[in-house]
Amino acid sequence: QKEVEQDPGPLSVPEGAIVSLNCTYSNSAFQYFMWYRQYSRKGPELLMYTYSSGNKEDGRFTAQVDKSSKYISLFIRDSQPSDSATYLCAMKTSYDKVIFGPGTSLSVIP
Amino acid sequence: DAGVTQSPTHLIKTRGQHVTLRCSPISGHKSVSWYQQVLGQGPQFIFQYYEKEERGRGNFPDRFSARQFPNYSSELNVNALLLGDSALYLCASTVSSGGYTGELFFGEGSRLTVL
Repeated sequence: QKEVEQDPGPLSVPEGAIVSLNCTYSNSAFQYFMWYRQYSRKGPELLMYTYSSGNKEDGRFTAQVDKSSKYISLFIRDSQPSDSATYLCAMKTSYDKVIFGPGTSLSVIP
Repeated sequence: DAGVTQSPTHLIKTRGQHVTLRCSPISGHKSVSWYQQVLGQGPQFIFQYYEKEERGRGNFPDRFSARQFPNYSSELNVNALLLGDSALYLCASTVSSGGYTGELFFGEGSRLTVL
């Protein structure tokens, strides 16, 4: 079993739709949970980060962490064509390296 | 402020050759991490350096090596290149090493093609 699993997609939605992206993980020691966005041929950029369980909202983006289920989600409201990218979930323990999921490719169609 | 800069951006090598990739972190950042991203996959951790010392190493063969200089810039070296080394090599910087929250600041990457 991989440490972090993520549906690779591709996911295609119409503009304005609500997008749900998800990851599952196996290491219960993970405490920091992140979502990175990566545009084609660019480096990843941090979108959201959450410590431990709970929700965090930033504009159109909401990150949720459920440590009891080892499940994290990213919701994008009112999706825009500029949201078209690969979304990478990532997580880490307190003092260890960041582990990335394989990424979900998202296309928002105008 | 300048972000993380990497060079070269693209390069083509043949099997058996050696490659050196370079990275300059964000000013004030003392830790550099290297990741390998194969097409269609997430980044895989290779090395982390902090204050010129190796702080972590991923599951990569000894053909991969790295170092960090006094100005916190870093080099990643790969010897005896294989076709499977073709990937985007990403450098990321952070302010500190242990205990940080995972907020990595990535460069644009060096895209290596091995023929």
